Amino acid sequence: DSGVTQTPKHLITATGQRVTLRCSPRSGDLSVYWYQQSLDQGLQFLIQYYNGEERAKGNILERFSAQQFPDLHSELNLSSLELGDSALYFCASNSGTYSPLHFGNGTRLTVT
Amino acid sequence: DAKTTQPNSMESNEEEPVHLPCNHSTISGTDYIHWYRQLPSQGPEYVIHGLTSNVNNRMASLAIAEDRKSSTLILHRATLRDAAVYYCILSNSGGSNYKLTFGKGTLLTVNP
Repeated sequence: DSGVTQTPKHLITATGQRVTLRCSPRSGDLSVYWYQQSLDQGLQFLIQYYNGEERAKGNILERFSAQQFPDLHSELNLSSLELGDSALYFCASNSGTYSPLHFGNGTRLTVT
Repeated sequence: DAKTTQPNSMESNEEEPVHLPCNHSTISGTDYIHWYRQLPSQGPEYVIHGLTSNVNNRMASLAIAEDRKSSTLILHRATLRDAAVYYCILSNSGGSNYKLTFGKGTLLTVNP
């Protein structure tokens, strides 16, 4: 058990809809990272938050947004969903710059 | 971003050592070398990381070439539970903007 909790585990929704994925980091970790894993693209870094502030951005679409709350949990919002957004979304956390990332078990999003 | 090259797949027998190679010829002086693995239906799991010297932990050993252009992850006695995709990754930079870019990794099959 990595200590990182992601909910829900599975999500099925239709094109054009909006969903919110939730992540609770390991106790004490200030940084949260979001990754997307699809069959053809592998693991793609989306965005990082550190203690409530956005710190790094990767290949995140404009239709996607995220935030980290004062209690350090994070949410990833995906809107105007397309079939190609179907993927596994992972959250990870760590306690410092070169500290190992601890990943949750992901949310599997299926867009129909 | 400095890139890594890994074999697509490798095979090993249970209880034998496994040497997983990684080439990173464009590594910069401040890049750390990280290894993660992803078991089926799970999020990636930290294995080991290092900068210049060889590193050992309870899971594996990391051997880093003197010129740092390659490294090898060593599993001393493979078990069936070690069957996973292994990712060799270079960290991007120091400071708080820290992210990992995952490639395709090496799929390790362990035969009983």
